[in-house]
Amino acid sequence: KQEVTQIPAALSVPEGENLVLNCSFTDSAIYNLQWFRQDPGKGLTSLLLIQSSQREQTSGRLNASLDKSSGRSTLYIAASQPGDSATYLCAVRTGGTSYGKLTFGQGTILTVHP
Amino acid sequence: DGGITQSPKYLFRKEGQNVTLSCEQNLNHDAMYWYRQDPGQGLRLIYYSQIVNDFQKGDIAEGYSVSREKKESFPLTVTSAQKNPTAFYLCASRTAHLDMQETQYFGPGTRLLVL
Repeated sequence: KQEVTQIPAALSVPEGENLVLNCSFTDSAIYNLQWFRQDPGKGLTSLLLIQSSQREQTSGRLNASLDKSSGRSTLYIAASQPGDSATYLCAVRTGGTSYGKLTFGQGTILTVHP
Repeated sequence: DGGITQSPKYLFRKEGQNVTLSCEQNLNHDAMYWYRQDPGQGLRLIYYSQIVNDFQKGDIAEGYSVSREKKESFPLTVTSAQKNPTAFYLCASRTAHLDMQETQYFGPGTRLLVL
């Protein structure tokens, strides 16, 4: 059974700092890994999707890496801003069924203070 | 604008009552999903539908029911059999169920509270 763990559970940093969020998964047979952002009381917004054959993806100040063999991914946020404050969720898609199940981590709550 | 809408934003359920959460999408997506989110936990899959008139149980389907009579709509009913329904419910859709490359798009969610 695939399990996804995110560390830390919460993170508070001053504005301008570079930071790293971690995601680990137990079954390396994944199709892809996604990072989502969730604002309080809202739905999820996809930030980055890394296919299993890729090592990293970049979008603006965000960079996500994937090491499938070790079961790890990191989300790097450069020059953090108060607007980055949100919960960040990692999810992996595995096979085994026609659905290709999406398994989520519990999230990292990020607070960027001015 | 294309997207997913969920209503209501807040829903209150009395003991023994069934309630229905609405999910509508105008993205022309074939696949739709319902997730439950509890505080400090990741999302857990309740039901999913690959195509109209078809749906499958997810990991925590007990106490829930769905229908998929139209491509655009995938309502979720929380029945009285669900003993701990208080949670945040998220609907999602995807272009094609078997497309492993495509991301899921999420609605804004419905928060269900028990009176």
